[in-house]
Amino acid sequence: EVQLLESGGGLVQPGGSLRLSCAASGFTFSNYAMSWVRQAPGKGLEWVSDISDSGYTTYYADSVKGRFTISRDNSKNTLFLQMNSLRVEDTATYYCAKDRRIDSWSESDSWGQGTLVTVSS
Amino acid sequence: QLVLTQSPSASASLGASVKLTCTLSSGHSSYAIAWHQQQPEKGPRYLMKLSSDGSHTKGDGIPDRFSGSSSGAERYLTISSLQSEDEADYYCQTWGTGARVFGGGTKLTVL
Repeated sequence: EVQLLESGGGLVQPGGSLRLSCAASGFTFSNYAMSWVRQAPGKGLEWVSDISDSGYTTYYADSVKGRFTISRDNSKNTLFLQMNSLRVEDTATYYCAKDRRIDSWSESDSWGQGTLVTVSS
Repeated sequence: QLVLTQSPSASASLGASVKLTCTLSSGHSSYAIAWHQQQPEKGPRYLMKLSSDGSHTKGDGIPDRFSGSSSGAERYLTISSLQSEDEADYYCQTWGTGARVFGGGTKLTVL
C-alpha cells in the first residue's frame, strides 16, 4: 500500500523558512516523479512544484519560484520542500503526491494527508 | 494558457446520479485530465484518468459508481447511486512538462 506522510509544517513569521518532508513507502520511490500541491484555508488545490524520478529536473509555480526548492533523497525514500522568504499568502496545507506512471510526467495517483504551514506575525 | 473550469457547486439526492463537468480552455480539447475527490478534512483521493476519447482508468478501490466521459473540451465525472460519503469537493487536474493545473473544484452536496 502506497503511503505518503508529510511533516515539518508549523507557524513561522513572514520572511522565515521551513523545510517540509514527505516520507514515502509501499512503492519504489526512485521510479516516480513527485509533486507538492498546496491548499490555502477554504480554497482549492494549487500546484507548487514537481521533481523528476532522478531529481535532476524540477519545476515551480511562478508564485514560489526563487523562494522554494524541491529535492529528494531516493536512498531514504523522502521528498523535501525547502521554503524560504515565506509570505502570509503561503499559508496552506501542503500535500505531497506521487505520479501514476514511471516513464513520463503523469497525473497524481496517491496523496499524503498534508501538513499545515501558517505564516503569521 | 491552459485553464480548467468547474462549476463551484452541485447537488443531488441520495441514491440519484450527478454529472460534474470540467471544461478545458480553447485549444486544449485533446488533453486528458484526472479527477480527484476530497472529503471534508481529508487529503485528496485519486479517482481516475480521463482521456479525450472518454476512455478512463480508475484508481485502486474506486467503486463502479464512478465513471467518466468526454465530449469535445468537456470532461465529465458521473457518480451514480449517490451515497452520503460522496459529499465532497471534486477537482480536475491536467499535467505536463513544467506545470500542473487544477480546476477550481466543485462542492457536491448530497441531499
